[in-house]
Amino acid sequence: QVQLQQSGAELAKPGTSVKLSCKASGYTFTSYYIYWVKQRPGQGLEWIGYIYPGNGGTYYSEKFKGKATFTADTSSSTAYMLLGSLTPEDSAYYFCARGALDGSYAPDYWGQGVMVTVSS
Amino acid sequence: DVVLTQTPPTLSATIGQSVSISCRSSQSLLHSNGNTYLHWLLQRPGQSPQLLIYLVSRLESGVPNRFSGSGSGTDFTLKISGVEAEDLGVYYCVQGTHAPWTFGGGTKLELK
Repeated sequence: QVQLQQSGAELAKPGTSVKLSCKASGYTFTSYYIYWVKQRPGQGLEWIGYIYPGNGGTYYSEKFKGKATFTADTSSSTAYMLLGSLTPEDSAYYFCARGALDGSYAPDYWGQGVMVTVSS
Repeated sequence: DVVLTQTPPTLSATIGQSVSISCRSSQSLLHSNGNTYLHWLLQRPGQSPQLLIYLVSRLESGVPNRFSGSGSGTDFTLKISGVEAEDLGVYYCVQGTHAPWTFGGGTKLELK
């Protein structure tokens, strides 16, 4: 069955970076988009962007350019998001999701989310 | 960026009641390829979002058929025909027609 397994919670200091992982299983990793979504506690969802592991192509929402960097390791079917120059505003849950292959690109499977806390 | 406005922000319902959620877009979501990339998600408390409806009205596999979606252009509706306890949570519309993707602000469905 399709699963997206995200790495554990992170506690980081302002100005540092964290690298979040999203390990895919149960499907052909290189054939589907991976989206990244931010959710601050008690708030709504915010789309960060995507990576297409098949060719490494990426797209970033303007707000997250320079903040997030996506990569993918096809040998381990794992997508990564590096968040740099952390500030308290980066404290949030981060989800990865798969984009459906049926032409809808809808986010059909989601990881369990990972909480990032930025604090000195 | 496209702004999606969901109403109401909170919805109180009894079990068995039918309810509707509106999602209005600041721009038409009809893509030049003829598709309308408007989807609906449900996020139950403490859980990840799950896909309910994609491309306006298509029911995701495994989702009960009491959920239905409709609309076109800029106006979309999610309807639940007979709320059940497991339907409680926050509903989001999301559009993928125009980059960047954007989400509605959410509608919280709670028990009356």
